[in-house]
Amino acid sequence: SQQGEEDPQALSIQEGENATMNCSYKTSINNLQWYRQNSGRGLVHLILIRSNEREKHSGRLRVTLDTSKKSSSLLITASRAADTASYFCATDAKREYGNKLVFGAGTILRVKS
Amino acid sequence: EAGVVQSPRYKIIEKKQPVAFWCNPISGHNTLYWYRQNLGQGPELLIRYENEEAVDDSQLPKDRFSAERLKGVDSTLKIQPAELGDSAVYLCASSTGLAGQETQYFGPGTRLLVL
Repeated sequence: SQQGEEDPQALSIQEGENATMNCSYKTSINNLQWYRQNSGRGLVHLILIRSNEREKHSGRLRVTLDTSKKSSSLLITASRAADTASYFCATDAKREYGNKLVFGAGTILRVKS
Repeated sequence: EAGVVQSPRYKIIEKKQPVAFWCNPISGHNTLYWYRQNLGQGPELLIRYENEEAVDDSQLPKDRFSAERLKGVDSTLKIQPAELGDSAVYLCASSTGLAGQETQYFGPGTRLLVL
């Protein structure tokens, strides 16, 4: 079963705009990770945020984590056509899931040039 | 460094036939994962190895699926016999297994179509 749920399911924006994707989960976590998947390819790790962190940056990416609401968001600033991909959040959950990554269904992002 | 290698990239078989997927993880990565990704969904863990030991195979359908990781390096995932519902992308991933290094590195996957 999938713990994380991304919102929206699909997002279409113009190049240069910002893209925000949200993730909600159900149980306590050790960390939450975001991955990107280009069509027909494997997943690429983007960023990891630990349960005691509230915000993290990496280049054009900003991730926030609110453990009280069991939610996270991924912001991609100044989007590019190359950002077109599916984005997945994955939770590294405590005990109940045996400390394994549980992925959501993903958000499909399309950046139009 | 070389990434996770998987083969074949694509496989088409008829139902009831056997099929095998191979994975070579990143050198030095002790932890190896097999995931299945259905269309429009995120990956779901099938089995996780720490070296040669399967430490989590709770999601592996053991009646038809089997996996091995001899010598704690390469791994093979087998389905016998395949069913129509097994059509999916099978992803292999690896990680160091060290505390504080939770990032998983994924291979390109094997896309299986069962007819």
